Amino acid sequence: GDSVTQMEGPVTLSEEAFLTINCTYTATGYPSLFWYVQYPGEGLQLLLKATKADDKGSNKGFEATYRKETTSFHLEKGSVQVSDSAVYFCALSDLGSSASKIIFGSGTRLSIRP
Amino acid sequence: ETGVTQTPRHLVMGMTNKKSLKCEQHLGHNAMYWYKQSAKKPLELMFVYNFKEQTENNSVPSRFSPECPNSSHLFLHLHTLQPEDSALYLCASSPQDGPNEKLFFGSGTQLSVL
Repeated sequence: GDSVTQMEGPVTLSEEAFLTINCTYTATGYPSLFWYVQYPGEGLQLLLKATKADDKGSNKGFEATYRKETTSFHLEKGSVQVSDSAVYFCALSDLGSSASKIIFGSGTRLSIRP
Repeated sequence: ETGVTQTPRHLVMGMTNKKSLKCEQHLGHNAMYWYKQSAKKPLELMFVYNFKEQTENNSVPSRFSPECPNSSHLFLHLHTLQPEDSALYLCASSPQDGPNEKLFFGSGTQLSVL
């Protein structure tokens, strides 16, 4: 079945460092891809998404490009801030499927040092 | 504030106790979900209610019993839990459990079973 694999954390960086969190997926169809973020003490919220190959999702300085050839959707940010400390979840959803069918990865905890 | 409120925020219970988790959404949504978040594991969907009807039970043990009295409220009744049930339990809602719908998450209940 469909699945998402993301790099295990925790990832610890200094402020203003470059961030990459790797995510690869397995899917039989043409999924939409997502990154969700969970700030301390809060629920998950959608950070960005891409719905077809070569699309780039972006929000709050974060970017991820849907790469069909490598089945990847890596999350990047050029200069992280302390406020970016959170758990990041990669997820996928098959085309036309319901919200309950969104498949999440195991999350990557990111800690940013001042 | 995402419009999805969960209580209590933290719960410690013994294996013989009975307790309930509560979720309330003020977004006018018609679908509500329970997820289990355990460390280093993918987010697990437990139950789905769409227009007050349970549409998904993801092979959840019977010691977890959901209740959805109306579209705004969702409960998870707990009895004779095991220590491995300790986790963060997240509630989510969406306009309906349909294609391209966005999930809105609560902050979760951190459950510890002693």
